[in-house]
Amino acid sequence: QAVVTQEPSLTVSPGGTVTLTCGSSTGAVTSGHYPYWFQQKPGQAPRTLIYDTNTKHSWTPARFSGSLLGGKAALTLSGAQPEDEAEYYCLLSYSGAPVLFGGGTKLTVL
Amino acid sequence: QVQLVQSGAEVKKPGASVKVSCKASGYTFSNYGINWVRQAPGQGLEWLGWISAKNGNTKYAQKVQGRVTLTTDTSTGTASMELRSLRSDDSAVYYCARAFSSSWYLFDSWGQGTLVTVSS
Repeated sequence: QAVVTQEPSLTVSPGGTVTLTCGSSTGAVTSGHYPYWFQQKPGQAPRTLIYDTNTKHSWTPARFSGSLLGGKAALTLSGAQPEDEAEYYCLLSYSGAPVLFGGGTKLTVL
Repeated sequence: QVQLVQSGAEVKKPGASVKVSCKASGYTFSNYGINWVRQAPGQGLEWLGWISAKNGNTKYAQKVQGRVTLTTDTSTGTASMELRSLRSDDSAVYYCARAFSSSWYLFDSWGQGTLVTVSS
């Protein structure tokens, strides 16, 4: 079975920019993996930020954007705010799996 | 607005079964599906399966296939997840999340989570 990989932790300064990535053990991530990005704060249910690589929900702050970068799915946060400190999970779809989450990235805004 | 409300916390012994429910409101339940996801303490998210509320089609994660059954009741707008032969590593918060009726995609609304503790 495939493994979805994320950076365990990242730190960004307030107002700064950071990119979280989501890779696949099977090779390059493509739009056919329908990448999703979720934000989860302690004690809360996850919240979907991005789906289908780069589509935002109505509630997704404009400072978040999704893309494909260097064979991985990417979530870029431009202009980090203290409230963006959270765990971020990506999800990829596979023909057999069919849904696998990454291990999560703990984002610190400091 | 779309809302998913889950049943309360459960404590079960190893080998027992647990059934978690997820009551939907704010949309036409039978036009969508439900995903089930769990999160062990301090761990990441794990997808367990999907069910269509339109036709009852299901897909399960390989890890839990054979131990988990997903069902829906369109008369009450409720989805349920039953997990059998519980082990200590099944202790987790279980979430439901809305999906399309044809596949697992969407995840636009989540339940509040149900803590299941498996302990002798």
